[in-house]
Order: sequence, then C-alpha cells, then structure tokens
Amino acid sequence: AAGVIQSPRHLIKEKRETATLKCYPIPRHDTVYWYQQGPGQDPQFLISFYEKMQSDKGSIPDRFSAQQFSDYHSELNMSSLELGDSALYFCASSLTPGLAASYEQYFGPGTRLTVT
Amino acid sequence: DAKTTQPPSMDCAEGRAANLPCNHSTISGNEYVYWYRQIHSQGPQYIIHGLKNNETNEMASLIITEDRKSSTLILPHATLRDTAVYYCIVNQAGTALIFGKGTTLSVSS
Repeated sequence: AAGVIQSPRHLIKEKRETATLKCYPIPRHDTVYWYQQGPGQDPQFLISFYEKMQSDKGSIPDRFSAQQFSDYHSELNMSSLELGDSALYFCASSLTPGLAASYEQYFGPGTRLTVT
Repeated sequence: DAKTTQPPSMDCAEGRAANLPCNHSTISGNEYVYWYRQIHSQGPQYIIHGLKNNETNEMASLIITEDRKSSTLILPHATLRDTAVYYCIVNQAGTALIFGKGTTLSVSS
C-alpha cells in the first residue's frame, strides 16, 4: 500500500539559511499534519491542514510557515535556521474528519534536518 | 500537555504477551484512545484505537475499562521487532496527536 512520502530524507543547512521540506500524503488523504522531534524528545505537533486551509496550529515558530497545495501535498518552509531547529520532521496524513469511521494518522519516514 | 500516564519502561520475553498500561482519568466522552509506536527514530506507526469497546486487529488488542479511565494494549506474542517506544494518546478524532513520554518496551530472547 502507498505510504506518506517525505523529501528530502536528510538535509544539512547552515545557520540563517532556509529549508523547504515536502510531504506527499497517502492517496485520497486530504488532511496533513507536521510534527517536530528534537534529539531525545517526543514528537511535537507543529501545524495541520485540511482542504488547503490551516486547520490547527501547535508550537510552530514564526520563522516557519507551511501550506497545502491543490494536489494535497504540503510544504514546510523554515527560514533563519537556528541550531535548535536540528530535528526529525515528520509529516502525517489522514482521511477527512467526519467522513471516515476512523481518523488514524499515518506517518512518513521523516526528514532529518541538521543545522550547523 | 499529554492527558495520559504510562510507565517509562517495560521488559518482555520474546513469545510472551506484552501488556502495556495507560491511565487517562480525564478523558472526555468524545475522545478516543489511540496507540502508536516508534521504532528507533522511524515515523510513528499506528497500532490501534478505540472509543468504549475493546478492539482487536492483526497487530494488537486494546482493552478499555468500563469507566474509560484506563486502557491496556496487548501484544499477544511479542517479538524482538516489537522493541519500541509505545505512545498512548487521547484525542478527538481528526485532531493533532499530543505525544507524552510513552513506554519503552524492550523485548529480549
């Protein structure tokens, strides 16, 4: 079965640079979630989108922005990168809330961002 | 903040059942109990979820107490590949997952 695709899998950037992470949800899934997992930490919710509109917002820094496109893929844009942004970034997708009997989220393999 | 409490670690012998407990005493009527696991920095993997009734799928069983204040995830025949951090999460359907500390399950031969 098709899974969530994230690219790139690994990314190395320097401080103050920008980075763009991409997420391609499972076919027919139109809700996308972004999570950040720092070293030794548990995943933390950043932001989510449903039908191209932001649906929920967590602890996402103002330096980060995200959007969902008409084909439901999503991009997380990160600017003025800091050392503390080094983390695993996971994308998850799910079916539309309210139209499915269950709403489990399926996670991608993650993008490992290293800021030097 | 996470609405669940789990033991930080548990051990299990290969081939035996692993029973992972979770307390969620403040769960609301419209909130589900979800279980995910994360194997060594891979993406979290959905295991099972339930609202009131016990549930079973090909991976595990979920037992929810009648008052819904606690639950137990059961892996019937644990293997070495089940070694992971297991997260019990309570949330409304279609909302973001709030991860707590989870239980690190170590399966040994």
